[in-house]
Amino acid sequence: QQKVQQSPESLIVPEGGMASLNCTSSDRNVDYFWWYRQHSGKSPKMLMSIFSNGEKEEGRFTVHLNKASLHTSLHIRDSQPSDSALYLCAARPSNTNKVVFGTGTRLQVLP
Amino acid sequence: DAGVTQTPRHEVAEKGQTIILKCEPVSGHNDLFWYRQTKIQGLELLSYFRSKSLMEDGGAFKDRFKAEMLNSSFSTLKIQPTEPKDSAVYLCASSLQGANTEVFFGKGTRLTVV
Repeated sequence: QQKVQQSPESLIVPEGGMASLNCTSSDRNVDYFWWYRQHSGKSPKMLMSIFSNGEKEEGRFTVHLNKASLHTSLHIRDSQPSDSALYLCAARPSNTNKVVFGTGTRLQVLP
Repeated sequence: DAGVTQTPRHEVAEKGQTIILKCEPVSGHNDLFWYRQTKIQGLELLSYFRSKSLMEDGGAFKDRFKAEMLNSSFSTLKIQPTEPKDSAVYLCASSLQGANTEVFFGKGTRLTVV
């Protein structure tokens, strides 16, 4: 059974600080990773995707991927209170195409 | 272009009742997923369809949960009989075919079983 592990479970950072979130898949067939953000009472929405080794930056958000270790991380710089949400990591293996999510990291940014 | 539509948004059922949740995927999407979300377990995959064919039936959820896709634009999730532990948010999601395609979620159905 494919598992996606996320850490930490929860994270508190001050406004303007850096938040770092981690995600690892147990399935060696996983080729594609996404990060989704879910605000309270809302449905998850895709934040960033990463499919190749290395780094990808979009504004204040940076994702890293190491395919050998099946590990991805999301870094949010200059964190804002509006970034407070549940961050979900998703992995999709190319042999089954089913999308599996981790249990998430709950981020709280304090003003 | 409409996103994923789920109905009802809220459902209250008595223990032992049968309930049916409905989902309309994004037009043109071939993959459809049903997930259950709770604070403890997170997002658990219940069923996965590709072009209306059931690809994954959720293992542990098989006995009381049955998802169907009658046509490419409509899916249902039946829970029979309901139990209090089924209280959760049920999310339907869809994507284009292809492992590198983004998944889009509906707003979910909040089920409470009393």
